[in-house]
Amino acid sequence: RKEVEQDPGPFNVPEGATVAFNCTYSNSASQSFFWYRQDCRKEPKLLMSVYSSGNEDGRFTAQLNRASQYISLLIRDSKLSDSATYLCVVRNTGFQKLVFGTGTRLLVSP
Amino acid sequence: GAVVSQHPSRVICKSGTSVKIECRSLDFQATTMFWYRQFPKQSLMLMATSNEGSKATYEQGVEKDKFLINHASLTLSTLTVTSAHPEDSSFYICSARGGGLKSPFEAFFGQGTRLTVV
Repeated sequence: RKEVEQDPGPFNVPEGATVAFNCTYSNSASQSFFWYRQDCRKEPKLLMSVYSSGNEDGRFTAQLNRASQYISLLIRDSKLSDSATYLCVVRNTGFQKLVFGTGTRLLVSP
Repeated sequence: GAVVSQHPSRVICKSGTSVKIECRSLDFQATTMFWYRQFPKQSLMLMATSNEGSKATYEQGVEKDKFLINHASLTLSTLTVTSAHPEDSSFYICSARGGGLKSPFEAFFGQGTRLTVV
């Protein structure tokens, strides 16, 4: 079983739609959680950190459910520029490294 | 955010030759560098972690004699793919974190290097 699992998609949505991605992680000792965005053939870029209380940044809302070991990302009012792969990333206690999910591909169409 | 510069962005080499990829932190001291590899439609897989002045720690299954990592200074780390073969063709990305940053645990990525071995 992969340490971080995501539905690879693609999710095809029209502009203006609301779309949600989920991610599950297997290590209950995981401490830090992030969503990264990766455009085709580019490096990943931090979209937002995910906190236990949930957090929002503009059209993006991230939530963490420690009991169920899943993380979610909600994108409201999708834009064409939101088309990308969204990577769920976890850092475990005591380790420096980040563990990446395979990513969920989002395609926003006009 | 902090800037990490990776070079070259794209390289094509012949099978059996070696290729060196550089990763520089431009505006902070990178105490830790991570090297990842990403095959098409797959996630980033960590290859090794290096702390400045120390030997790199390789992930299971990554050959340390084939993927040579040097992190001799706080601003530069290099990955050398020795005796490259077509199966080494991949997207290699470095990531750095360190002192002087607002969030010392945040990692910043280089632009990536697309290696094609022919």
